[in-house]
Amino acid sequence: NAGVTQTPKFRVLKTGQSMTLLCAQDMNHEYMYWYRQDPGMGLRLIHYSVGEGTTAKGEVPDGYNVSRLKKQNFLLGLESAAPSQTSVYFCASISGRTLETQYFGPGTRLLVL
Amino acid sequence: QKEVEQDPGPLSVPEGAIVSLNCTYSNSAFQYFMWYRQYSRKGPELLMYTYSSGNKEDGRFTAQVDKSSKYISLFIRDSQPSDSATYLCAMTPTSGTYKYIFGTGTRLKVLA
Repeated sequence: NAGVTQTPKFRVLKTGQSMTLLCAQDMNHEYMYWYRQDPGMGLRLIHYSVGEGTTAKGEVPDGYNVSRLKKQNFLLGLESAAPSQTSVYFCASISGRTLETQYFGPGTRLLVL
Repeated sequence: QKEVEQDPGPLSVPEGAIVSLNCTYSNSAFQYFMWYRQYSRKGPELLMYTYSSGNKEDGRFTAQVDKSSKYISLFIRDSQPSDSATYLCAMTPTSGTYKYIFGTGTRLKVLA
């Protein structure tokens, strides 16, 4: 997963707690994405960004907020975690010039009790 | 009904076999079709993509798109144990925002 890092790798939360997942890329990519992956559901887009300072909702945005204050970072926030948000979260980035230049991060495993 | 359907498997084949992985879709607006490989507890990695209909070959991998049937395939020749992974298809109407719709993935096991 060259160039895309995710922090933390694993986290356990209690219902109602908040946390922020950090995605960082060093490839100067314009586009960044947050997905969640659940068994039998595939990857589902939560939020995405087409450039610094811009964000947009994806397929399953409820319960999440995002920010992209710096081009290289895309933050995903859970204000009040729920057990339904137990999942593996993947960040991805794409240069915007060609489809080949897209990379996923290694994932963050989140367990909400 | 999901926009993209993919058999979850698992699909078990002997080493050296030709593997065929498939996805069907319902949205005729899809133009870009991607295949990803995902090893256990890792992020997906892009294998190849095709635009519109036709075939694309890259080493042992061939991607095929049949838009008239809304059906895409990934063929793996001379499969190796290292090919054991989950294979995800994804597609999008345009390259503009790169908002992909993913299949659920097919788990492949290549037996030595």
